[in-house]
Amino acid sequence: EPEVTQTPSHQVTQMGQEVILRCVPISNHLYFYWYRQILGQKVEFLVSFYNNEISEKSEIFDDQFSVERPDGSNFTLKIRSTKLEDSAMYFCASGWTGGAPGAFFGQGTRLTVV
Amino acid sequence: AQKVTQAQTEISVVEKEDVTLDCVYETRDTTYYLFWYKQPPSGELVFLIRRNSFDEQNEISGRYSWNFQKSTSSFNFTITASQVVDSAVYFCALSVGQGGSEKLVFGKGTKLTVNP
Repeated sequence: EPEVTQTPSHQVTQMGQEVILRCVPISNHLYFYWYRQILGQKVEFLVSFYNNEISEKSEIFDDQFSVERPDGSNFTLKIRSTKLEDSAMYFCASGWTGGAPGAFFGQGTRLTVV
Repeated sequence: AQKVTQAQTEISVVEKEDVTLDCVYETRDTTYYLFWYKQPPSGELVFLIRRNSFDEQNEISGRYSWNFQKSTSSFNFTITASQVVDSAVYFCALSVGQGGSEKLVFGKGTKLTVNP
C-alpha cells in the first residue's frame, strides 16, 4: 500500500540552526501539507501546497518557514533559524484531491531544539 | 470558521467495556468531511475513517462504529469490547469544501486508557 514517508524520524538541532524536514508524498498525489503537533497538544495546520505554490498557510507559518518541492518526489519544510518553541512533531500529508488529503499522513518527524 | 470540540480529555476503562468518544464540530459549509485518527504512543497518526457531510449513515468496522448526526453536529466514535491495544489518543478532524486544498482542523484529542 502506498504511503507517505518522512525523514528523519527524529532530529535534534541547536537553537538558531536551520533544519530541513523531508517528505516523499504518495506518487500520484497533487496536494501536500505540513502539520505540527507540540507535545501533548492537538495537531495544527501549517501550510498546504498545490501546483508548485503555497495555497494556504496558517499564522504559525511565518517567515522562518518555507516549503519546496525540489523535484518530482520530495516535499520539504525548512525552518531557517530554529527556536525552542519549534520543538514538535511535524507531519507531512498528501492527497490527490480536495476533501480527502488528511487521510494520508507520514509517520512524523520529531524535532527537538536544544 | 471551523472548530472541532472533543470535550473528553481523558477516559479510562477496563478491558471489554464499551466506550464512546464524543466529537462536536462547527462549520457553516454544507460540504465537509469528518475524520477520526488514532495516535498510539509511538506517535504516528493512523487514519480510521472519513465521512462526507452528505452521508449520514452510521458505519461499523469490526469493534469500531461511528455515529454521524448532522442535527447535533456530532460525529461520535464507539469502541465495543475495548482492548488494551486500543489505548491511544484519538483525534476528530474536520475538512471543508468540495475540492481544492482544504486543511484539516483537529480537535484537542481524547486520551483513552484501557486497563487489563
